[in-house]
Amino acid sequence: SQTIHQWPATLVQPVGSPLSLECTVEGTSNPNLYWYRQAAGRGLQLLFYSIGIDQISSEVPQNLSASRPQDRQFILSSKKLLLSDSGFYLCAWSVGTLSGEQYFGPGTRLTVT
Amino acid sequence: QKEVEQNSGPLSVPEGAIASLNCTYSDRGSQSFFWYRQYSGKSPELIMSIYSNGDKEDGRFTAQLNKASQYVSLLIRDSQPSDSATYLCASPGTSYGKLTFGQGTILTVHP
Repeated sequence: SQTIHQWPATLVQPVGSPLSLECTVEGTSNPNLYWYRQAAGRGLQLLFYSIGIDQISSEVPQNLSASRPQDRQFILSSKKLLLSDSGFYLCAWSVGTLSGEQYFGPGTRLTVT
Repeated sequence: QKEVEQNSGPLSVPEGAIASLNCTYSDRGSQSFFWYRQYSGKSPELIMSIYSNGDKEDGRFTAQLNKASQYVSLLIRDSQPSDSATYLCASPGTSYGKLTFGQGTILTVHP
């Protein structure tokens, strides 16, 4: 069966510090991968999606970036965090088309202070 | 602009009642719809998928799709306190890519 891991589970970082969040998927090959952010009390905002290694699309211009160095690994990064980057970061995967069912990881709760 | 909208709630029902959650969408070409459940502080969990008009039942959950009215709903029968969560409706529309999520409806089932 497929499983998805994210780490760390929680993170407190000062403004201006770098960020690296990692997501890995097990039990499937060539998944589509997604990064979402959910701000407190708000909906899910798609940040990036990827259909393959080094194939990443950005949905919103911001100070975040994503990379996919391996088939089942997706990394979200920032060089300098902003207060507005606080939120619940969710990685998700799907197979087949990008329009199919997506399955979410446990998430990383980021607080920028 | 393609949108997915949910009745804002919050919705409160007594234990054992039927909870009805509703979602409308603007993209007439949408072919698939998903319902996710999100407990407080947790990530969304896929609970139902529906692709064709009509009803789809899974245990206490029934998803209903009406493409003519651009309306999808989720019924929870015999609601339990453990059903208390935020329910998210999502659809990819017709664009290649990404699910569009509604804002969610908070459901509280009180004993």
